[in-house]
Amino acid sequence: SAVISQKPSRDICQRGTSLTIQCQVDSQVTMMFWYRQQPGQSLTLIATANQGSEATYESGFVIDKFPISRPNLTFSTLTVSNMSPEDSSIYLCSAGLADEQFFGPGTRLTVL
Amino acid sequence: GENVEQHPSTLSVQEGDSAVIKCTYSDSASNYFPWYKQELGKGPQLIIDIRSNVGEKKDQRIAVTLNKTAKHFSLHITETQPEDSAVYFCAASLGGGGADGLTFGKGTHLIIQP
Repeated sequence: SAVISQKPSRDICQRGTSLTIQCQVDSQVTMMFWYRQQPGQSLTLIATANQGSEATYESGFVIDKFPISRPNLTFSTLTVSNMSPEDSSIYLCSAGLADEQFFGPGTRLTVL
Repeated sequence: GENVEQHPSTLSVQEGDSAVIKCTYSDSASNYFPWYKQELGKGPQLIIDIRSNVGEKKDQRIAVTLNKTAKHFSLHITETQPEDSAVYFCAASLGGGGADGLTFGKGTHLIIQP
């Protein structure tokens, strides 16, 4: 399995600002993924981050709002831009390893 | 795109009894079906998965069955224990867990009554 860490674990932000979430994997992985989970709800895929290429976004999510970086095989960032209260959620990264997918602990974001 | 339905949303069982959670999927091309356990304040933990070329898989007290014709799969937990209390999510993907993003069901809150 893979051990995945995220920073920050939680944050409270003002509307109109941006927050960058970091995701670190303890193994080299080709595919990393970013999900959103609203409190008490299911997980929704935001985008797939393949090292060396542009991230692929799911319907309803755009690069200007959620820019993603994937500089190497163990690290990725997700930025939540120009935040509004509707962006309050848990953001999770995951990594594909040995044909399985493992999740980080999540970043709990509250936008005031 | 893929749609995953999960039932029930809440399941309460007596400690020692069995629990069954069921999911259906819409895309017949999906070939990977993992189950995750999520405890409060934590990320989802992979507990078992099954691929389309297998009908059943078991790991100690946990088993998963897959019916490709009917497009449904189920999680079975036997001899339930208090530590099994959590939210369980089923998911599906086209290309395997490592290559593709997952489509999740809405989750089942499993409560183990002492």
